[in-house]
Amino acid sequence: EVQLVESGGGLVQPGGSLRLSCAASGFTFSSYAMSWVRQAPGKGLEWVSAISGSGGSTYYADSVKGRFTISRDNSKNTLYLQMNSLRAEDTAVYYCAKGPDSSGGDAFDIWGQGTMVTVSS
Amino acid sequence: SSELTQDPAVSVALGQTVRITCQGDSLRSYYASWYQQKPGQAPVLVIYGKNNRPSGIPDRFSGSSSGNTASLTITGAQAEDEADYYCNSRDSSGNHLMVFGGGTKLTVL
Repeated sequence: EVQLVESGGGLVQPGGSLRLSCAASGFTFSSYAMSWVRQAPGKGLEWVSAISGSGGSTYYADSVKGRFTISRDNSKNTLYLQMNSLRAEDTAVYYCAKGPDSSGGDAFDIWGQGTMVTVSS
Repeated sequence: SSELTQDPAVSVALGQTVRITCQGDSLRSYYASWYQQKPGQAPVLVIYGKNNRPSGIPDRFSGSSSGNTASLTITGAQAEDEADYYCNSRDSSGNHLMVFGGGTKLTVL
């Protein structure tokens, strides 16, 4: 079964740091780009960051550039998001998603269940 | 970065056909993908590419595109189709960024 399971969310103070993880199973992890997408409470989806299958290329939304770092360990089938200098506006459910897949219309075809990050004092 | 614009809310009578639209400059160059999200759940891909449905998605869901507008059509809407729908595509700047529309709340009457 293809599955993504996020972990690492929680409550953090403004200016603090947090690292999210996403464990993948059921597909050849190293063959696919992976992304983080977030959703603030009651709001829409916002793409945060993506990384190529090899990990050699990374991309970020302007809202997190310079503060967040995406990485992956293909030997552990795990995706990470290191979040530094957190702000209240970073409060959201963070989803791990498989994609974008250029052969599949740049879609995100598999999503995790999400992990909640709350930035508050 | 580019933007994708969706109507905030759309309604449809049970069994009727509804079209949900997504507008943006990036859609002139890239396909839109469509996601269904029900309360408290993760998004689910329903349409990708020119008009492709992942395994398990009913054939009442279809996609189309013209110019800067992509559309998701549900033919014969069912009660279980009531959800938020989001479009997404690659950013038109060509720098590998991705963008989502603001979402459309579909109500099935």
